[in-house]
Amino acid sequence: KQEVTQIPAALSVPEGENLVLNCSFTDSAIYNLQWFRQDPGKGLTSLLLIQSSQREQTSGRLNASLDKSSGRSTLYIAASQPGDSATYLCAVKEDDKIIFGKGTRLHILP
Amino acid sequence: DAGVIQSPRHEVTEMGQEVTLRCKPISGHNSLFWYRQTMMRGLELLIYFNNNVPIDDSGMPEDRFSAKMPNASFSTLKIQPSEPRDSAVYFCASSLSGAQKTQYFGPGTRLLVL
Repeated sequence: KQEVTQIPAALSVPEGENLVLNCSFTDSAIYNLQWFRQDPGKGLTSLLLIQSSQREQTSGRLNASLDKSSGRSTLYIAASQPGDSATYLCAVKEDDKIIFGKGTRLHILP
Repeated sequence: DAGVIQSPRHEVTEMGQEVTLRCKPISGHNSLFWYRQTMMRGLELLIYFNNNVPIDDSGMPEDRFSAKMPNASFSTLKIQPSEPRDSAVYFCASSLSGAQKTQYFGPGTRLLVL
Protein backbone atom coordinates (compact mmCIF):
# COMPACT_ATOMS: atom_id res chain seq x y z
CA LYS A 1 0.00 0.00 0.00
CA GLN A 2 1.38 3.38 -1.05
CA GLU A 3 2.33 5.71 1.79
CA VAL A 4 3.39 9.33 1.37
CA THR A 5 5.37 11.01 4.13
CA GLN A 6 6.24 14.67 4.48
CA ILE A 7 8.91 15.93 6.81
CA PRO A 8 8.91 18.24 8.66
CA ALA A 9 5.27 18.60 9.67
CA ALA A 10 5.82 22.29 10.36
CA LEU A 11 8.53 24.78 9.48
CA SER A 12 9.18 28.43 10.31
CA VAL A 13 11.82 30.41 8.46
CA PRO A 14 12.68 34.12 8.19
CA GLU A 15 11.60 35.97 5.10
CA GLY A 16 14.09 35.90 2.25
CA GLU A 17 15.55 32.48 3.00
CA ASN A 18 15.57 29.62 0.55
CA LEU A 19 13.94 26.45 1.85
CA VAL A 20 13.31 22.82 0.94
CA LEU A 21 10.28 20.71 1.72
CA ASN A 22 10.64 16.94 1.57
CA CYS A 23 8.32 14.18 0.43
CA SER A 24 8.89 10.44 0.30
CA PHE A 25 6.74 7.62 -1.04
CA THR A 26 6.99 3.86 -0.62
CA ASP A 27 5.98 2.54 -4.05
CA SER A 28 7.83 3.91 -7.07
CA ALA A 29 5.15 2.72 -9.54
CA ILE A 30 3.57 6.15 -9.88
CA TYR A 31 2.28 8.09 -12.87
CA ASN A 32 3.16 11.48 -11.50
CA LEU A 33 3.82 13.50 -8.37
CA GLN A 34 2.15 16.76 -7.59
CA TRP A 35 2.73 19.54 -5.08
CA PHE A 36 -0.29 21.46 -3.81
CA ARG A 37 -0.71 24.51 -1.67
CA GLN A 38 -3.56 24.84 0.81
CA ASP A 39 -4.36 28.09 2.61
CA PRO A 40 -6.29 27.92 5.90
CA GLY A 41 -9.95 27.14 5.30
CA LYS A 42 -9.43 26.89 1.56
CA GLY A 43 -9.19 24.19 -1.09
CA LEU A 44 -6.10 22.88 -2.83
CA THR A 45 -4.18 24.72 -5.50
CA SER A 46 -1.87 22.75 -7.75
CA LEU A 47 1.64 24.21 -7.85
CA LEU A 48 3.72 21.78 -9.86
CA LEU A 49 3.16 18.39 -11.46
CA ILE A 50 6.06 16.13 -12.37
CA GLN A 51 5.39 13.20 -14.68
CA SER A 52 7.09 9.93 -13.79
CA SER A 53 9.49 10.33 -16.71
CA GLN A 54 10.59 13.79 -15.60
CA ARG A 55 13.18 14.85 -13.05
CA GLU A 56 12.01 18.34 -12.19
CA GLN A 57 9.60 21.15 -12.87
CA THR A 58 9.97 24.87 -12.27
CA SER A 59 7.48 27.68 -11.84
CA GLY A 60 8.76 31.07 -10.78
CA ARG A 61 10.45 30.74 -7.40
CA LEU A 62 9.37 27.11 -7.06
CA ASN A 63 11.32 24.08 -8.20
CA ALA A 64 10.20 20.51 -7.63
CA SER A 65 12.39 17.48 -8.18
CA LEU A 66 11.54 13.81 -8.45
CA ASP A 67 13.75 10.79 -7.84
CA LYS A 68 11.38 7.93 -8.52
CA SER A 69 13.86 5.16 -7.85
CA SER A 70 14.53 6.38 -4.32
CA GLY A 71 10.93 7.43 -3.72
CA ARG A 72 11.70 11.08 -3.00
CA SER A 73 10.68 14.52 -4.07
CA THR A 74 11.65 17.98 -2.91
CA LEU A 75 9.99 21.34 -3.29
CA TYR A 76 12.47 24.20 -3.29
CA ILE A 77 11.20 27.71 -2.58
CA ALA A 78 13.62 30.53 -3.34
CA ALA A 79 13.62 33.89 -1.59
CA SER A 80 10.66 33.06 0.63
CA GLN A 81 7.96 35.68 1.26
CA PRO A 82 5.27 35.99 3.95
CA GLY A 83 2.70 35.18 1.26
CA ASP A 84 4.24 31.74 0.92
CA SER A 85 2.88 30.83 4.35
CA ALA A 86 0.52 27.89 3.82
CA THR A 87 0.37 24.11 4.04
CA TYR A 88 2.15 22.31 1.21
CA LEU A 89 0.90 18.87 0.25
CA CYS A 90 2.70 16.27 -1.78
CA ALA A 91 0.64 13.70 -3.67
CA VAL A 92 1.44 10.74 -5.91
CA LYS A 93 -0.85 9.35 -8.57
CA GLU A 94 -1.47 5.65 -9.10
CA ASP A 95 -3.97 4.79 -11.85
CA ASP A 96 -6.84 7.16 -11.15
CA LYS A 97 -6.07 7.56 -7.45
CA ILE A 98 -4.09 10.27 -5.73
CA ILE A 99 -2.47 9.51 -2.37
CA PHE A 100 -1.60 12.53 -0.28
CA GLY A 101 0.96 13.21 2.40
CA LYS A 102 -0.21 15.02 5.52
CA GLY A 103 1.54 18.20 4.50
CA THR A 104 4.11 20.62 5.81
CA ARG A 105 2.78 23.78 7.49
CA LEU A 106 5.09 26.58 6.41
CA HIS A 107 5.30 29.90 8.22
CA ILE A 108 7.45 32.67 6.79
CA LEU A 109 8.44 35.17 9.46
CA PRO A 110 8.37 38.80 8.28
CA ASP B 1 -15.09 27.96 -16.24
CA ALA B 2 -16.38 28.19 -12.66
CA GLY B 3 -14.31 25.25 -11.50
CA VAL B 4 -15.61 22.51 -9.24
CA ILE B 5 -18.56 23.75 -7.22
CA GLN B 6 -19.44 22.35 -3.82
CA SER B 7 -22.38 23.10 -1.56
CA PRO B 8 -22.91 23.87 1.17
CA ARG B 9 -19.58 25.44 2.12
CA HIS B 10 -20.29 24.96 5.79
CA GLU B 11 -22.67 22.58 7.56
CA VAL B 12 -23.38 22.24 11.26
CA THR B 13 -25.71 19.45 12.31
CA GLU B 14 -26.57 17.33 15.27
CA MET B 15 -25.56 13.74 15.73
CA GLY B 16 -28.01 11.37 14.10
CA GLN B 17 -29.12 13.76 11.37
CA GLU B 18 -28.72 13.07 7.68
CA VAL B 19 -26.16 15.19 5.85
CA THR B 20 -25.99 15.61 2.07
CA LEU B 21 -23.00 17.21 0.38
CA ARG B 22 -23.20 18.24 -3.24
CA CYS B 23 -20.70 18.61 -6.04
CA LYS B 24 -20.80 19.91 -9.58
CA PRO B 25 -17.68 18.89 -11.54
CA ILE B 26 -16.03 20.92 -14.27
CA SER B 27 -17.99 20.58 -17.49
CA GLY B 28 -16.50 17.90 -19.72
CA HIS B 29 -14.70 16.10 -16.93
CA ASN B 30 -15.72 12.46 -16.65
CA SER B 31 -13.97 11.46 -13.42
CA LEU B 32 -15.14 12.65 -10.02
CA PHE B 33 -13.55 12.09 -6.64
CA TRP B 34 -14.70 12.58 -3.03
CA TYR B 35 -12.04 13.16 -0.35
CA ARG B 36 -12.16 13.74 3.40
CA GLN B 37 -9.57 15.82 5.26
CA THR B 38 -8.94 15.65 9.01
CA MET B 39 -6.04 16.76 11.14
CA MET B 40 -5.31 13.21 12.23
CA ARG B 41 -5.54 11.39 8.92
CA GLY B 42 -4.89 14.09 6.35
CA LEU B 43 -6.59 13.85 2.95
CA GLU B 44 -8.17 10.48 2.17
CA LEU B 45 -9.93 9.33 -0.97
CA LEU B 46 -13.42 8.08 -0.16
CA ILE B 47 -14.78 7.11 -3.58
CA TYR B 48 -14.37 7.94 -7.23
CA PHE B 49 -16.53 7.71 -10.33
CA ASN B 50 -15.71 7.29 -14.01
CA ASN B 51 -18.47 8.23 -16.44
CA ASN B 52 -20.95 8.31 -13.54
CA VAL B 53 -20.09 4.75 -12.44
CA PRO B 54 -18.50 4.15 -9.02
CA ILE B 55 -15.10 2.56 -9.61
CA ASP B 56 -13.56 2.30 -6.17
CA ASP B 57 -15.39 2.90 -2.90
CA SER B 58 -12.86 1.17 -0.68
CA GLY B 59 -12.20 4.42 1.14
CA MET B 60 -15.79 4.85 2.29
CA PRO B 61 -15.54 4.42 6.06
CA GLU B 62 -18.76 2.51 6.69
CA ASP B 63 -22.30 1.91 5.54
CA ARG B 64 -23.43 5.25 6.91
CA PHE B 65 -21.68 6.84 3.93
CA SER B 66 -23.09 6.63 0.42
CA ALA B 67 -22.33 8.48 -2.82
CA LYS B 68 -24.24 8.82 -6.05
CA MET B 69 -23.63 10.38 -9.43
CA PRO B 70 -26.96 10.44 -11.29
CA ASN B 71 -25.51 12.38 -14.22
CA ALA B 72 -22.28 13.86 -15.50
CA SER B 73 -22.81 17.21 -13.81
CA PHE B 74 -23.87 16.28 -10.28
CA SER B 75 -22.81 14.07 -7.40
CA THR B 76 -23.85 13.71 -3.78
CA LEU B 77 -22.17 12.31 -0.70
CA LYS B 78 -24.62 11.37 2.02
CA ILE B 79 -24.00 10.52 5.66
CA GLN B 80 -26.89 8.91 7.52
CA PRO B 81 -26.87 8.96 10.48
CA SER B 82 -24.08 11.43 11.11
CA GLU B 83 -21.70 11.12 14.07
CA PRO B 84 -19.29 13.63 15.67
CA ARG B 85 -16.30 11.71 14.25
CA ASP B 86 -17.55 12.55 10.76
CA SER B 87 -16.59 16.18 11.36
CA ALA B 88 -14.07 17.06 8.66
CA VAL B 89 -13.64 18.98 5.44
CA TYR B 90 -15.00 17.10 2.45
CA PHE B 91 -13.51 17.87 -0.95
CA CYS B 92 -14.77 17.02 -4.38
CA ALA B 93 -12.41 16.92 -7.36
CA SER B 94 -12.85 16.24 -11.05
CA SER B 95 -10.64 15.41 -13.99
CA LEU B 96 -10.60 14.02 -17.47
CA SER B 97 -10.13 10.26 -17.55
CA GLY B 98 -6.66 8.85 -17.63
CA ALA B 99 -3.82 8.42 -15.19
CA GLN B 100 -1.93 11.45 -16.51
CA LYS B 101 -4.80 13.88 -16.03
CA THR B 102 -4.73 16.50 -13.29
CA GLN B 103 -7.48 16.62 -10.69
CA TYR B 104 -9.07 19.98 -9.93
CA PHE B 105 -10.39 20.48 -6.43
CA GLY B 106 -13.45 22.29 -5.19
CA PRO B 107 -13.33 24.61 -2.17
CA GLY B 108 -14.60 21.93 0.20
CA THR B 109 -17.50 21.57 2.62
CA ARG B 110 -16.61 22.04 6.28
CA LEU B 111 -18.84 19.68 8.29
CA LEU B 112 -19.31 19.85 12.03
CA VAL B 113 -21.43 17.22 13.73
CA LEU B 114 -22.32 18.10 17.30
